[in-house]
Amino acid sequence: QVQLVESGGGVVQPGRSLRLSCAASGFSFSNYGMHWVRQAPGKGLEWVAVISNDGRIKKYADFMRGRFTISRDDSKNTLYLQMNSLGTEDTAVYYCAKEANWAEPFDYWGQGTLVTVSS
Amino acid sequence: DIQMTQSPSSLSASVGDRVTITCRASQGISNYLAWYQQKPGKVPKLLIYAASTLQSGVPPRFSGSGSGTDFTLTITSLQPEDVATYYCQTYHIATWTFGQGTKVEIK
Repeated sequence: QVQLVESGGGVVQPGRSLRLSCAASGFSFSNYGMHWVRQAPGKGLEWVAVISNDGRIKKYADFMRGRFTISRDDSKNTLYLQMNSLGTEDTAVYYCAKEANWAEPFDYWGQGTLVTVSS
Repeated sequence: DIQMTQSPSSLSASVGDRVTITCRASQGISNYLAWYQQKPGKVPKLLIYAASTLQSGVPPRFSGSGSGTDFTLTITSLQPEDVATYYCQTYHIATWTFGQGTKVEIK
């Protein structure tokens, strides 16, 4: 069965960096676009970034302001999100999600990893 | 960017009631509209895609309709296990935006 397992979250000081990982299994990872979605405590879902199946297309939400980078390593079936210059507004649970097909909705989600930005 | 606006932000209804949630896009998105259900403390789950197509395994009391800018999610007979927050999402032309969510509670 499809499994997505995020890791790398934790408490980090403002201005610091963090790299999240999402280990995928149960499907042909290299065939699917992958996304990051975040949810601040008590708030709604916010799309963060996408990477196409071949890694050529990367798109980001406007609020990224160039601070976040999405990447993938198909040899490890792993998705990444490098987050730099973190601010308190980035505090959220970060989910990775698999597309059903390119530019389609998300049929599987990970359990999420909590990122807390605090001094 | 496409903005998605849901209404109401929350509602309370009785078991067995018909519940309708609306979602409006700031520009036409054809039928590139999905609905997700997020139960308290859980991960979002895809309910409906292409505005009206039920994801496999979703109970038939859930239905979706609409095209262009106006969409609805209907629960024909609300059940206790439907307590959740529901989100619409557009995926039009490789743009993914969520609505702010509608929290559904049992009266």
